[in-house]
Amino acid sequence: DTEVTQTPKHLVMGMTNKKSLKCEQHMGHRAMYWYKQKAKKPPELMFVYSYEKLSINESVPSRFSPECPNSSLLNLHLHALQPEDSALYLCASSQEADSGNTIYFGEGSWLTVV
Amino acid sequence: SQQGEEDPQALSIQEGENATMNCSYKTSINNLQWYRQNSGRGLVHLILIRSNEREKHSGRLRVTLDTSKKSSSLLITASRAADTASYFCATDVGFQKLVFGTGTRLLVSP
Repeated sequence: DTEVTQTPKHLVMGMTNKKSLKCEQHMGHRAMYWYKQKAKKPPELMFVYSYEKLSINESVPSRFSPECPNSSLLNLHLHALQPEDSALYLCASSQEADSGNTIYFGEGSWLTVV
Repeated sequence: SQQGEEDPQALSIQEGENATMNCSYKTSINNLQWYRQNSGRGLVHLILIRSNEREKHSGRLRVTLDTSKKSSSLLITASRAADTASYFCATDVGFQKLVFGTGTRLLVSP
């Protein structure tokens, strides 16, 4: 079972709404990630946080705003999304943000933008 | 950007048979990881193989890596219905930047 917990599991939001996805891990990991997965496609990296600092932003539109309040929590703030942003959003963590570390994923949050 | 191509895209076998999935990638890697994803669920880590390793085993799983051919394979022996899922290879191209392949959908029938 995954030790990365994501809430909510499902979210439906309008294009003018502001919502947040939340992620928590208690494995003492210092790197956390957001991935986006469209239906029948592989996951794609959005953001990497290392020691609570943003280290990678894969040219994600500003309507997605990540936040890492502490080493256990990672949020993804959503504002003015488009229907094409509907997807499974996966949070993940690893011991460190360098090679050779296993990355553990949560169950994901299904987002539908209407 | 997509790094890995997996083959086959879909595989249908009977319980007890072996399943082999292949992954090819384009650039140099630090390691390669295999994941399983049940429909609509999160990713479960299966195995990590480093660039200086050629083969690795974990239970019924056997992974090989050929860096000269930029390819990897995942073998599941004595498959079970519970192995039905999508399988992804993911290449670590640095700074824990995992780039996933296209995936193989495996169906194991009882």
